[in-house]
Amino acid sequence: GQQLNQSPQSMFIQEGEDVSMNCTSSSIFNTWLWYKQDPGEGPVLLIALYKAGELTSNGRLTAQFGITRKDSFLNISASIPSDVGIYFCAASVDDKIIFGKGTRLHILP
Amino acid sequence: DTGVSQNPRHKITKRGQNVTFRCDPISEHNRLYWYRQTLGQGPEFLTYFQNEAQLEKSRLLSDRFSAERPKGSFSTLEIQRTEQGDSAMYLCASSPHNTQYFGPGTRLTVL
Repeated sequence: GQQLNQSPQSMFIQEGEDVSMNCTSSSIFNTWLWYKQDPGEGPVLLIALYKAGELTSNGRLTAQFGITRKDSFLNISASIPSDVGIYFCAASVDDKIIFGKGTRLHILP
Repeated sequence: DTGVSQNPRHKITKRGQNVTFRCDPISEHNRLYWYRQTLGQGPEFLTYFQNEAQLEKSRLLSDRFSAERPKGSFSTLEIQRTEQGDSAMYLCASSPHNTQYFGPGTRLTVL
Protein backbone atom coordinates (compact mmCIF):
# COMPACT_ATOMS: atom_id res chain seq x y z
CA GLY A 1 0.00 0.00 0.00
CA GLN A 2 0.92 3.65 -0.03
CA GLN A 3 3.37 4.78 2.61
CA LEU A 4 5.47 7.80 3.41
CA ASN A 5 9.13 7.53 4.39
CA GLN A 6 9.97 10.41 6.68
CA SER A 7 13.51 11.26 7.73
CA PRO A 8 15.29 11.79 9.89
CA GLN A 9 13.53 9.93 12.66
CA SER A 10 14.95 12.34 15.24
CA MET A 11 17.22 15.37 15.34
CA PHE A 12 19.27 16.99 18.08
CA ILE A 13 20.21 20.58 17.30
CA GLN A 14 21.39 23.73 19.02
CA GLU A 15 19.01 26.65 19.40
CA GLY A 16 19.40 28.99 16.43
CA GLU A 17 20.31 26.27 13.95
CA ASP A 18 18.31 25.57 10.82
CA VAL A 19 16.44 22.27 10.48
CA SER A 20 15.55 20.25 7.43
CA MET A 21 13.38 17.14 7.19
CA ASN A 22 11.77 15.36 4.28
CA CYS A 23 9.24 12.83 3.18
CA THR A 24 9.36 10.52 0.18
CA SER A 25 7.09 7.96 -1.36
CA SER A 26 6.83 5.73 -4.37
CA SER A 27 3.26 6.99 -4.88
CA ILE A 28 2.01 10.25 -6.38
CA PHE A 29 -0.07 12.60 -4.24
CA ASN A 30 -2.25 15.67 -4.86
CA THR A 31 -1.61 17.37 -1.54
CA TRP A 32 1.26 17.45 0.94
CA LEU A 33 0.73 18.61 4.50
CA TRP A 34 3.06 19.24 7.41
CA TYR A 35 1.85 19.00 11.00
CA LYS A 36 3.44 19.52 14.42
CA GLN A 37 2.30 17.54 17.42
CA ASP A 38 3.04 18.34 21.05
CA PRO A 39 2.73 15.63 23.73
CA GLY A 40 -0.88 14.80 24.58
CA GLU A 41 -2.29 17.02 21.85
CA GLY A 42 -3.58 16.56 18.33
CA PRO A 43 -1.47 17.47 15.29
CA VAL A 44 -1.56 21.14 14.33
CA LEU A 45 -1.41 22.03 10.65
CA LEU A 46 1.69 24.05 9.75
CA ILE A 47 1.71 24.20 5.96
CA ALA A 48 -0.48 22.80 3.19
CA LEU A 49 0.82 22.36 -0.37
CA TYR A 50 -1.51 21.77 -3.30
CA LYS A 51 0.58 22.05 -6.45
CA ALA A 52 3.72 20.29 -7.67
CA GLY A 53 6.71 22.61 -7.29
CA GLU A 54 4.88 24.88 -4.86
CA LEU A 55 7.09 26.53 -2.24
CA THR A 56 5.22 27.97 0.75
CA SER A 57 6.39 29.77 3.88
CA ASN A 58 4.77 30.25 7.26
CA GLY A 59 7.01 32.44 9.38
CA ARG A 60 10.29 30.58 9.91
CA LEU A 61 8.90 27.46 8.23
CA THR A 62 9.24 26.73 4.52
CA ALA A 63 7.92 23.65 2.74
CA GLN A 64 7.98 22.48 -0.85
CA PHE A 65 5.83 20.09 -2.86
CA GLY A 66 8.25 18.05 -4.96
CA ILE A 67 8.04 18.37 -8.73
CA THR A 68 7.54 14.58 -9.09
CA ARG A 69 4.63 14.79 -6.58
CA LYS A 70 6.33 11.99 -4.64
CA ASP A 71 8.16 14.03 -2.03
CA SER A 72 8.16 17.11 0.15
CA PHE A 73 10.52 18.84 2.55
CA LEU A 74 10.12 21.14 5.53
CA ASN A 75 12.76 23.61 6.67
CA ILE A 76 12.76 25.51 9.94
CA SER A 77 15.12 28.46 10.17
CA ALA A 78 16.73 29.81 13.36
CA SER A 79 15.16 27.21 15.66
CA ILE A 80 13.81 28.28 19.05
CA PRO A 81 12.91 26.17 22.11
CA SER A 82 9.19 26.04 21.28
CA ASP A 83 10.01 24.26 18.01
CA VAL A 84 10.55 21.09 20.05
CA GLY A 85 8.01 18.42 19.16
CA ILE A 86 7.17 15.81 16.55
CA TYR A 87 6.73 16.89 12.96
CA PHE A 88 4.60 14.74 10.66
CA CYS A 89 4.38 14.85 6.92
CA ALA A 90 1.08 13.76 5.42
CA ALA A 91 -0.08 13.34 1.87
CA SER A 92 -3.41 12.82 0.22
CA VAL A 93 -5.00 11.66 -2.94
CA ASP A 94 -8.79 11.80 -3.14
CA ASP A 95 -10.25 12.14 0.36
CA LYS A 96 -7.80 10.23 2.52
CA ILE A 97 -4.48 11.26 3.97
CA ILE A 98 -1.66 9.08 5.19
CA PHE A 99 1.05 10.08 7.62
CA GLY A 100 4.76 9.58 7.94
CA LYS A 101 6.14 8.24 11.22
CA GLY A 102 7.33 11.64 12.33
CA THR A 103 10.57 13.49 13.00
CA ARG A 104 11.19 14.19 16.67
CA LEU A 105 13.02 17.50 17.10
CA HIS A 106 15.12 18.05 20.22
CA ILE A 107 16.84 21.35 20.98
CA LEU A 108 19.93 21.17 23.13
CA PRO A 109 20.40 23.82 25.84
CA ASP B 1 -12.85 28.76 19.96
CA THR B 2 -14.07 27.36 16.63
CA GLY B 3 -11.66 24.46 16.23
CA VAL B 4 -12.38 20.74 16.41
CA SER B 5 -13.28 19.60 19.92
CA GLN B 6 -13.22 16.11 21.40
CA ASN B 7 -14.63 14.71 24.62
CA PRO B 8 -13.54 13.29 26.88
CA ARG B 9 -9.83 14.15 26.70
CA HIS B 10 -8.91 11.10 28.74
CA LYS B 11 -10.71 7.84 29.42
CA ILE B 12 -9.58 4.97 31.64
CA THR B 13 -11.67 1.85 31.47
CA LYS B 14 -11.51 -1.80 32.40
CA ARG B 15 -11.15 -4.47 29.76
CA GLY B 16 -14.53 -5.58 28.46
CA GLN B 17 -16.30 -2.26 29.06
CA ASN B 18 -17.81 -0.14 26.30
CA VAL B 19 -16.61 3.42 25.68
CA THR B 20 -17.93 6.24 23.52
CA PHE B 21 -16.06 9.31 22.32
CA ARG B 22 -17.51 12.45 20.81
CA CYS B 23 -16.12 14.80 18.16
CA ASP B 24 -17.50 18.21 17.25
CA PRO B 25 -15.99 19.36 13.94
CA ILE B 26 -15.50 22.86 12.64
CA SER B 27 -19.06 23.85 11.78
CA GLU B 28 -18.75 24.47 8.05
CA HIS B 29 -16.70 21.33 7.37
CA ASN B 30 -18.66 18.51 5.75
CA ARG B 31 -15.98 15.82 6.11
CA LEU B 32 -15.10 14.21 9.43
CA TYR B 33 -12.36 11.66 10.04
CA TRP B 34 -11.36 9.34 12.88
CA TYR B 35 -7.80 8.20 13.44
CA ARG B 36 -5.97 6.11 15.99
CA GLN B 37 -2.45 6.93 17.09
CA THR B 38 -0.13 4.79 19.19
CA LEU B 39 3.15 5.86 20.73
CA GLY B 40 5.87 6.62 18.22
CA GLN B 41 3.57 6.35 15.21
CA GLY B 42 1.70 8.74 13.01
CA PRO B 43 -2.11 8.75 13.03
CA GLU B 44 -3.73 5.77 11.30
CA PHE B 45 -6.97 6.23 9.41
CA LEU B 46 -10.05 4.50 10.83
CA THR B 47 -13.08 5.90 9.03
CA TYR B 48 -14.57 9.01 7.52
CA PHE B 49 -17.90 10.71 6.86
CA GLN B 50 -19.09 13.13 4.27
CA ASN B 51 -22.03 14.80 5.95
CA GLU B 52 -23.92 11.90 7.59
CA ALA B 53 -22.71 9.21 5.17
CA GLN B 54 -19.89 6.92 6.31
CA LEU B 55 -17.86 6.56 3.12
CA GLU B 56 -14.93 4.39 4.09
CA LYS B 57 -13.78 2.15 6.91
CA SER B 58 -10.26 0.88 7.47
CA ARG B 59 -9.41 -2.76 8.11
CA LEU B 60 -8.26 -1.47 11.50
CA LEU B 61 -11.90 -0.87 12.39
CA SER B 62 -12.96 -4.22 13.81
CA ASP B 63 -16.56 -5.25 14.46
CA ARG B 64 -16.23 -3.89 17.98
CA PHE B 65 -15.85 -0.35 16.61
CA SER B 66 -18.74 1.71 15.31
CA ALA B 67 -18.93 5.35 14.31
CA GLU B 68 -21.92 7.54 13.61
CA ARG B 69 -22.60 11.06 12.44
CA PRO B 70 -26.38 11.15 12.59
CA LYS B 71 -27.09 14.73 11.55
CA GLY B 72 -23.91 15.45 9.67
CA SER B 73 -22.54 17.53 12.53
CA PHE B 74 -20.95 15.85 15.58
CA SER B 75 -19.76 12.25 15.46
CA THR B 76 -19.38 9.47 18.00
CA LEU B 77 -16.95 6.56 18.02
CA GLU B 78 -17.94 3.60 20.18
CA ILE B 79 -15.70 0.71 21.13
CA GLN B 80 -17.46 -2.32 22.56
CA ARG B 81 -15.83 -4.94 24.80
CA THR B 82 -12.58 -2.97 24.99
CA GLU B 83 -9.26 -4.82 24.89
CA GLN B 84 -5.89 -3.69 26.15
CA GLY B 85 -4.73 -3.32 22.56
CA ASP B 86 -7.33 -0.59 22.09
CA SER B 87 -5.28 1.72 24.31
CA ALA B 88 -4.28 4.64 22.09
CA MET B 89 -4.99 8.26 21.28
CA TYR B 90 -8.16 8.60 19.18
CA LEU B 91 -8.07 11.67 16.98
CA CYS B 92 -10.84 13.35 15.08
CA ALA B 93 -10.27 15.71 12.17
CA SER B 94 -12.59 17.75 9.99
CA SER B 95 -12.05 19.04 6.51
CA PRO B 96 -13.66 21.30 3.92
CA HIS B 97 -11.77 19.53 1.12
CA ASN B 98 -8.35 17.85 1.31
CA THR B 99 -6.76 19.64 4.27
CA GLN B 100 -7.59 18.21 7.68
CA TYR B 101 -7.74 20.02 11.00
CA PHE B 102 -7.36 17.90 14.09
CA GLY B 103 -8.94 17.99 17.52
CA PRO B 104 -6.93 17.48 20.71
CA GLY B 105 -7.69 13.76 20.84
CA THR B 106 -9.08 11.36 23.42
CA ARG B 107 -6.50 9.23 25.16
CA LEU B 108 -7.93 5.80 25.99
CA THR B 109 -6.29 3.53 28.54
CA VAL B 110 -7.71 0.03 28.91
CA LEU B 111 -6.64 -1.69 32.12
